[in-house]
Amino acid sequence: NAGVTQTPKFQVLKTGQSMTLQCAQDMNHEYMSWYRQDPGMGLRLIHYSVGAGITDQGEVPNGYNVSRSTTEDFPLRLLSAAPSQTSVYFCASTLKGGVTYGYTFGSGTRLTVV
Amino acid sequence: DAKTTQPNSMESNEEEPVHLPCNHSTISGTDYIHWYRQLPSQGPEYVIHGLTSNVNNRMASLAIAEDRKSSTLILHRATLRDAAVYYCILRDLGDYKLSFGAGTTVTVRA
Repeated sequence: NAGVTQTPKFQVLKTGQSMTLQCAQDMNHEYMSWYRQDPGMGLRLIHYSVGAGITDQGEVPNGYNVSRSTTEDFPLRLLSAAPSQTSVYFCASTLKGGVTYGYTFGSGTRLTVV
Repeated sequence: DAKTTQPNSMESNEEEPVHLPCNHSTISGTDYIHWYRQLPSQGPEYVIHGLTSNVNNRMASLAIAEDRKSSTLILHRATLRDAAVYYCILRDLGDYKLSFGAGTTVTVRA
């Protein structure tokens, strides 16, 4: 099924460990982004990309790195996990056509840092 | 970024209409009004968007005030599956970022 695929769905990390959250889309969407959602709160933008080779910071970028080598994939790297990064992470994509398209979101990765 | 204001929560009975208000008094002429919803334990889902005219799709209707300072998302016949958090978001032309507020939590009673 076409859409945004996130892996893994669940992950437990120890403080200081690093990991990569995977995001892939098969809709040929140019724009991709990562959000985090803390309990009872709205989503906050971490990083985004308007196309392969182009990334930029969002609202809460500290502690995270991204790269965009292909149109399909947009991985999010946690460099040294901290308990404050315990959250649910969502990847989203849309067509590069301005505001006339809606976003497609993945089902999320639930991350716990202990 | 222009801000939106939504009620924290709303309740509805099954098969009755639900009207979700959103205030955006500082909206600019190039801001589109987008609505998303988030079902429990799922990612947000696009519902509808509009600029000036009212819009309808299979999921909902969007009514936009003439001065564009407010809008209303209308679920014509609520079902239990419509229980979710609904977000009203403004997106400027050419801006790809979504700014989520707290949204409105909709509860549907059987």
